[in-house]
Amino acid sequence: DQQVKQNSPSLSVQEGRISILNCDYTNSMFDYFLWYKKYPAEGPTFLISISSIKDKNEDGRFTVFLNKSAKHLSLHIVPSQPGDSAVYFCAASGIEGAQKLVFGQGTRLTINP
Amino acid sequence: DAGVIQSPRHEVTEMGQEVTLRCKPISGHNSLFWYRQTMMRGLELLIYFNNNVPIDDSGMPEDRFSAKMPNASFSTLKIQPSEPRDSAVYFCASSWGRNTGELFFGEGSRLTVL
Repeated sequence: DQQVKQNSPSLSVQEGRISILNCDYTNSMFDYFLWYKKYPAEGPTFLISISSIKDKNEDGRFTVFLNKSAKHLSLHIVPSQPGDSAVYFCAASGIEGAQKLVFGQGTRLTINP
Repeated sequence: DAGVIQSPRHEVTEMGQEVTLRCKPISGHNSLFWYRQTMMRGLELLIYFNNNVPIDDSGMPEDRFSAKMPNASFSTLKIQPSEPRDSAVYFCASSWGRNTGELFFGEGSRLTVL
């Protein structure tokens, strides 16, 4: 039973355009959501997060949106740059915090020049 | 500042052999996590230590897997005996305090069991 799902294994976007990565979750007890970015041969690195009490969090070119009623979150990257090409993982945690962090399968983003 | 350090980066071994993966967390961090990444299952948590004590090992797949944290700066994940289906990338991560999920990952150890 996959509690966090990223239904798009890959996404290709033109440089300068907006990249939108999507994530769905099933567990209504999740109250904190995160995005991690992973380059080949490296470990995942934390990118941005959002608490369930908010519906938007912005950090530079990166914005995460949370729709609790739909159990859906998305990561927007504007404008997309070649260095954004990586695998992006959505993750969620509940009352137990990082001890029970659940990751999605990841979406490979490719930014084309 | 040094991040989470894992060794070896790559390990190729034959079925039945013992494998030991090592991790040095970030100094001052009191939580340590071992994750496994495979194509089929993605990133899955194997075991979680807090203040060097194993808190949750429900993700450890079998008795062939064991993990220790003898002190705050060192942890090992051991597989004995190894099997081809153990082939994966194993990540160690650390964090500090009561944490909602912002972990610092090492670069991973890629294990291939022939």
